[in-house]
Amino acid sequence: AQSVTQLDSQVPVFEEAPVELRCNYSSSVSVYLFWYVQYPNQGLQLLLKYLSGSTLVKGINGFEAEFNKSQTSFHLRKPSVHISDTAEYFCAVSESSSGYALNFGKGTSLLVTP
Amino acid sequence: SAVISQKPSRDICQRGTSLTIQCQVDSQVTMMFWYRQQPGQSLTLIATANQGSEATYESGFVIDKFPISRPNLTFSTLTVSNMSPEDSSIYLCSVEYHQGTQYFGPGTRLLVL
Repeated sequence: AQSVTQLDSQVPVFEEAPVELRCNYSSSVSVYLFWYVQYPNQGLQLLLKYLSGSTLVKGINGFEAEFNKSQTSFHLRKPSVHISDTAEYFCAVSESSSGYALNFGKGTSLLVTP
Repeated sequence: SAVISQKPSRDICQRGTSLTIQCQVDSQVTMMFWYRQQPGQSLTLIATANQGSEATYESGFVIDKFPISRPNLTFSTLTVSNMSPEDSSIYLCSVEYHQGTQYFGPGTRLLVL
């Protein structure tokens, strides 16, 4: 089964600064990759996904991620963060052989301060 | 995407009792999933619920503790049976769309005393 590693449990950043949240997955022939965001006391919202095609995917709220097959990574980036981006971010992977069930990383807590 | 609702949104229960959580989707979907998110933790898959077949449980989860129903393509329930404080978690349902993309309900926050 796929495993997902989010290398940073917490990332503090100042408002308007760029941010990168790192995600690595175990190698497989074909995987689908996702980033979800969870705001305090809310459910999970899909930020973006990589299914196939272009390795640079753009999502909501100005976020983007790049699929790097050789490094088995799917890092999330935003060029300028806002206070409202403070949330928990989860990287997840699925594959058809496991019935598309999601395997989540442990999450990265992004804290944006003025 | 889909509009997914869960009931109840939160509950406080006594140990030894059971709680049934409902998940309703506004469109027909084949695959639904139930996840648990323990306090401060990531999400763990409990089971996959496909309409017309028995739910498939992940390692560490059993049907006697977490019975699941999937009576049609828009609805599912998860029961947390004989609860203990260790069952205090957020329980989320999700539905699968194109190529594994999943959308989540708002979650049910359960506190067991």
